Amino acid sequence: EAQVTQNPRYLITVTGKKLTVTCSQNMNHEYMSWYRQDPGLGLRQIYYSMNVEVTDKGDVPEGYKVSRKEKRNFPLILESPSPNQTSLYFCASGGVGGPLHFGNGTRLTVT
Amino acid sequence: SQELEQSPQSLIVQEGKNLTINCTSSKTLYGLYWYKQKYGEGLIFLMMLQKGGEEKSHEKITAKLDEKKQQSSLHITASQPSHAGIYLCGAVPNTGNQFYFGTGTSLTVIP
Repeated sequence: EAQVTQNPRYLITVTGKKLTVTCSQNMNHEYMSWYRQDPGLGLRQIYYSMNVEVTDKGDVPEGYKVSRKEKRNFPLILESPSPNQTSLYFCASGGVGGPLHFGNGTRLTVT
Repeated sequence: SQELEQSPQSLIVQEGKNLTINCTSSKTLYGLYWYKQKYGEGLIFLMMLQKGGEEKSHEKITAKLDEKKQQSSLHITASQPSHAGIYLCGAVPNTGNQFYFGTGTSLTVIP
C-alpha cells in the first residue's frame, strides 16, 4: 500500500531534549516536506527536499533540522525543543506535478 | 511568501444544503489541490486542477479553477454529515518549488 509513515504519533518531551520524528514513503517520490499545523495559522512549511541531499528552508525553519540521505526517508530533528514548538506535525511526499500525500501526523508537546 | 486566501473560515450548514468554499492566490499557479482533513488527522487528497478553466467532480464535490489560474472554488451539493471536516486548498506557484496551503475552512453539517 502506498503510504507516508510518520513516527511517533504522539510525543511529550521536555525543553532542550533532542528528538527526531521519522518519515518514510514507499512511492519513490522525489519531493518530501515537513509542515506544522497550529490553530489559526494553518499549515506552514518547515523544510522541503527536492531529492536526495537537496533540502531547502520553508517558511518556519528556525529550530528544526532535516536530512535526506535516502530517497524514502526525511527525518525532522529538533536539537533543543522549546514550548513554542508544541504543534501537530505532518510529513508529506509527492511526485513531479502531482499532489502531496500526507502522513497521519505527530502531535508534539514540549513542556 | 506565496499566500492562499481561503473563505469562509468556517461554515455551518443544514444537511442537504449546497455550499461553496473559495481559494484565491496572489500569483498564477502551476497547480491547485484540494484536501479534506478530519480534526487532528492527516490530509486526504480530493482533487487536483492544473489547466485554466478546468473543472473536476467526484461524487457530490466539484472543484473549478479559473482561466487565470489564480482562483478556485469547491462546491458541495446536497451536503451530508460525512462532508464535515476542514477543507484546505494547496498550491504550487508557476515559479518556485514550495507547496503552500490556505488556512482552511471548517465545515459543520447539521443533521
